[in-house]
Amino acid sequence: NAGVMQNPRHLVRRRGQEARLRCSPMKGHSHVYWYRQLPEEGLKFMVYLQKENIIDESGMPKERFSAEFPKEGPSILRIQQVVRGDSAAYFCASSAGGDTQYFGPGTRLTVL
Amino acid sequence: RKEVEQDPGPFNVPEGATVAFNCTYSNSASQSFFWYRQDCRKEPKLLMSVYSSGNEDGRFTAQLNRASQYISLLIRDSKLSDSATYLCDPMIYNQGGKLIFGQGTELSVKP
Repeated sequence: NAGVMQNPRHLVRRRGQEARLRCSPMKGHSHVYWYRQLPEEGLKFMVYLQKENIIDESGMPKERFSAEFPKEGPSILRIQQVVRGDSAAYFCASSAGGDTQYFGPGTRLTVL
Repeated sequence: RKEVEQDPGPFNVPEGATVAFNCTYSNSASQSFFWYRQDCRKEPKLLMSVYSSGNEDGRFTAQLNRASQYISLLIRDSKLSDSATYLCDPMIYNQGGKLIFGQGTELSVKP
């Protein structure tokens, strides 16, 4: 049973470009969470999604960031017009609807 | 007051030592509690879940004090491989189960 998968593992973008981060939850999990870890800081919740629904986006920056979890395919975290301050590790976690969340290996975004 | 506050660390201990970390949380509605470990800023890995007063798993013991709103993690007979950052997490079900992480406590076990 494969764990949570994220790709790419490393992503380099220039300022102003778009970044797309993908997350495939564990088999049987329909709840996806995105967290961000800025350099030298702790993990911060961004958004919680179930299939085709955003349940809680209270941690998402108001502009440039969006997330989706379509009926088919992975969850996508999209960052438009990236800035240097977006450089961070982005972790996805999934759960079956219970409380235990399992994390993917993360995507390390570097904005030049 | 921060939602979750942890001992700032770092803790530097010799192999075989017993070490304890504390974590306080501000939201009394928290229902489940988790300790994760994070190695070198890789993905957090679940260490222990705490639902009632505590939990024990081998060398690791977690204790929960709901009245005082803190949880602790005790590690006995520390190993070099225990070196990591330990993250404390209270969860509130009616908030969708999002995890609110503390800043983490860094542990370094020396030979």
